[in-house]
Amino acid sequence: GAVVSQHPSRVICKSGTSVKIECRSLDFQATTMFWYRQFPKQSLMLMATSNEGSKATYEQGVEKDKFLINHASLTLSTLTVTSAHPEDSSFYICSARDIGGPSTDTQYFGPGTRLTVL
Amino acid sequence: QQQVKQSPQSLIVQKGGISIINCAYENTAFDYFPWYQQFPGKGPALLIAIRPDVSEKKEGRFTISFNKSAKQFSLHIMDSQPGDSATYFCAASPGGGNKLTFGTGTQLKVEL
Repeated sequence: GAVVSQHPSRVICKSGTSVKIECRSLDFQATTMFWYRQFPKQSLMLMATSNEGSKATYEQGVEKDKFLINHASLTLSTLTVTSAHPEDSSFYICSARDIGGPSTDTQYFGPGTRLTVL
Repeated sequence: QQQVKQSPQSLIVQKGGISIINCAYENTAFDYFPWYQQFPGKGPALLIAIRPDVSEKKEGRFTISFNKSAKQFSLHIMDSQPGDSATYFCAASPGGGNKLTFGTGTQLKVEL
């Protein structure tokens, strides 16, 4: 149980286009999901906290108009990278907390989405 | 104050040996400390986690040691195997369901 999926697993796009990444909790409900970005050989950096039915909370330095987050249901959050540029190329990972699980502490991570902007 | 410092950056251990990774934090509001394992191109997977009310937690070959007064915690991997070769991240949060602050990662290589 407690599986988080992401789609797509990898995407290549041209500079200036927008890309949407989906994060789904497959067998549990998640009122809160988190979006991270990871550059090669670096740690995970939290970008934003996605709350079902309300606006996302962005970390300092993350442009909310560039990284649009929507958490429309208890099992789906989406991250849209608008007007992507090569510097946005990174590994994007989401996580979700199982509110009904044996441990509400645990965050389950998705497999990540590799974004390459040409 | 939000940082979590992790060492070493890389580690090479012989098969069957003990791998030890250390982390230190400053924020006294942190009360949930998980360790994650990440393979290349994959998302992190939770290995083991601890809260400050205990000084040690063991699950299989993985043990967390926690020193609240020193604000340090460590991961011990006993009987290290080549399949354990991965990057390990410590993390901390003020309450388990809240946002995690990750350490810088340790790249572990277990040699035959």
